[in-house]
Amino acid sequence: EAQLVESGGGLVQPGGSLRLSCAASGSTFGPYVMNWVRQAPGRGLEWVSYFSGRDSTTYYTDSVKGRFTISSDNAKTSLYLQMNDLRTEDSAVYYCARVNPFDENGYFTGLWYFDLWGRGTLVTVSS
Amino acid sequence: EIVLTQSPGTLSLSPGERATLSCRASESVSGTYLAWYRQRPGQAPRVLIYGASRRATGVPDRISGSGSATDFTLTINRLEPEDFAVYYCQLYGSSPLFTFGQGTRLEI
Repeated sequence: EAQLVESGGGLVQPGGSLRLSCAASGSTFGPYVMNWVRQAPGRGLEWVSYFSGRDSTTYYTDSVKGRFTISSDNAKTSLYLQMNDLRTEDSAVYYCARVNPFDENGYFTGLWYFDLWGRGTLVTVSS
Repeated sequence: EIVLTQSPGTLSLSPGERATLSCRASESVSGTYLAWYRQRPGQAPRVLIYGASRRATGVPDRISGSGSATDFTLTINRLEPEDFAVYYCQLYGSSPLFTFGQGTRLEI
């Protein structure tokens, strides 16, 4: 059974950097679209970034553009989020979440929802 | 930017009752791109419904989704203790790529 396990969270000062990792066990995420979704304490969910395992296309929400970079290893078993110039408003639990817009035969379904989530890693930005 | 507004913010019900949760989009959207999630305290979200009305694997048939255009509904019949949680709707769109509603807390 596929699982996603995040790591790398912690306490960092404003302006600092952190690198989050998401390890995929049970499969690679090569065919999938991998994302980071965050949740500030007591708040709702916010999509942060997207990485296509098929063609390495990336997208970001506006508030992190130019500060965060999403990437993967060559084997497509680990996803990363490099976070620079961190702000207090970046404090949140960061979840790694998978989207699979293709069916078992590889045909595009057009269905874009998060079907697998990790347990999250907490990032706290504070002085 | 399309905004998803969920109502009510909090819904207080008892086990055995029916819950009706609303998700309204600020403009017409395709139901293909609309999903619902449940999040229990201290846990990651779990998808319940995708494509507006398709149940995810393992979701019981007392949970259903419906709607189109701007109005979508998640209905949970015969509430069980494990249903009391926070529910989010989510849309795939253009900018931002994925949008969530602010959530509905279903409490006893």
